[in-house]
Amino acid sequence: DSGVTQTPKHLITATGQRVTLRCSPRSGDLSVYWYQQSLDQGLQFLIQYYNGEERAKGNILERFSAQQFPDLHSELNLSSLELGDSALYFCASSEHRVNTEAFFGQGTRLTVV
Amino acid sequence: GENVEQHPSTLSVQEGDSAVIKCTYSDSASNYFPWYKQELGKRPQLIIDIRSNVGEKKDQRIAVTLNKTAKHFSLHITETQPEDSAVYFCAASTTSGTYKYIFGTGTRLKVLA
Repeated sequence: DSGVTQTPKHLITATGQRVTLRCSPRSGDLSVYWYQQSLDQGLQFLIQYYNGEERAKGNILERFSAQQFPDLHSELNLSSLELGDSALYFCASSEHRVNTEAFFGQGTRLTVV
Repeated sequence: GENVEQHPSTLSVQEGDSAVIKCTYSDSASNYFPWYKQELGKRPQLIIDIRSNVGEKKDQRIAVTLNKTAKHFSLHITETQPEDSAVYFCAASTTSGTYKYIFGTGTRLKVLA
């Protein structure tokens, strides 16, 4: 167990819908990262938050948004879903100000039908 | 923007042989280079990392080398075993501003018994 919790584990929804993925980082970790992993693909960096503030953006679509709350949990919102959004979405967390290991959650598998 | 290139995308070796995976990064401010192993259906997990003030690091059958001048770093696995079969990701991160964690595209390693 990495200490990073993601909910739900699986999500099936229809095209055009909106979903929210939730991530609770390890205790004490201030940085949260979101990644998208499509079938047999790499880890595409979406966005990073540090202590509640957005710090870096990757190839995140405008239909996607995220935030980190005062208790440091984070949510990734995906709207106007398309078939191509089906993927495994990982959240990871790491300590602040030190380049250290990023701990991954078990991922949320999103299937858009 | 910053990116990390990883080669090869797939690698098959005979059990007992060595495997080498190479990565190149673009951001000269990168100073932390971890390697993650992702087994089928599981989360990525750190196997070894190296910081910019070190040229080489070993941990049993695994070693990582870093050439900061060339912006190259490599993963070396010796005496490969079937359980080494997985997808391996390199990453580069920096404390310069964003603490961004950028992953390579992954290498699927198959160790043939």
